[in-house]
Amino acid sequence: LAKTTQPISMDSYEGQEVNITCSHNNIATNDYITWYQQFPSQGPRFIIQGYKTKVTNEVASLFIPADRKSSTLSLPRVSLSDTAVYYCLVVGEYGNKLVFGAGTILRVKS
Amino acid sequence: KAGVTQTPRYLIKTRGQQVTLSCSPISGHRSVSWYQQTPGQGLQFLFEYFSETQRNKGNFPGRFSGRQFSNSRSEMNVSTLELGDSALYLCASSPGLSASTDTQYFGPGTRLTVL
Repeated sequence: LAKTTQPISMDSYEGQEVNITCSHNNIATNDYITWYQQFPSQGPRFIIQGYKTKVTNEVASLFIPADRKSSTLSLPRVSLSDTAVYYCLVVGEYGNKLVFGAGTILRVKS
Repeated sequence: KAGVTQTPRYLIKTRGQQVTLSCSPISGHRSVSWYQQTPGQGLQFLFEYFSETQRNKGNFPGRFSGRQFSNSRSEMNVSTLELGDSALYLCASSPGLSASTDTQYFGPGTRLTVL
C-alpha cells in the first residue's frame, strides 16, 4: 500500500473552508484514497473515499487530480467541532487492512 | 443498527498478566480488524478476521493473538503484558472483503493500562 504524506497540523477559524492535501506518489492502479476523522479517545470515523476526479458528500469533498499522486480533502465552513485528527489513507483492492500515517491535527478556533 | 461495541472500555493490568478484549461487530458484518493506538507509534494494524479466518496480520509479536467466532464476534488476547502494551485498542468491522468497497466502522476502543 502506498505511503501517504500530509501536513502535521493546520489551524483555521470557524466558518472558513479548510483544504488538507495528501501526497501518495506510489499509489497503485487499483488503490482508492480514503479519509478518516478521529476525535480524542474515539475510534476513527470514515469521511470520504474516491478513486479519481471529485467526490462530494454531505460532510466533505475530495479532489483527486488525473495523476492521482495527491488528493485534497475540503471541509466547507468548519466549526469548532471539526477539531480532530484527519488521516489520509490509500486502500488496496483486496483486504481490509488500513495503514494509518501520522495524520493532520486540525485546530479550529473561534 | 447498533454500532461496533467493545468491552471492557477500560482495563488496568500489571506486567506479566494476560488480557482478553472483546469486539462485537455491526450486525451483518463479517470482517473484524484490530488496531493498536499509542502516542508514539500511532494507529497500527494488528490483524483482520473474516468468517473466522485470519486474513491479514500486522507486525506484532506472537504475544498478540486473536480469533473470530461464528457469529462474527471477535476477541484479541495479549499474554505476558509489558508496559509498552498500554494503548487504546480499536476494533473495526465491515461487511465484506475489501476496504476499497466497504466502509470500515470503528468501535470506541478499549483503553488498556499496564502497570
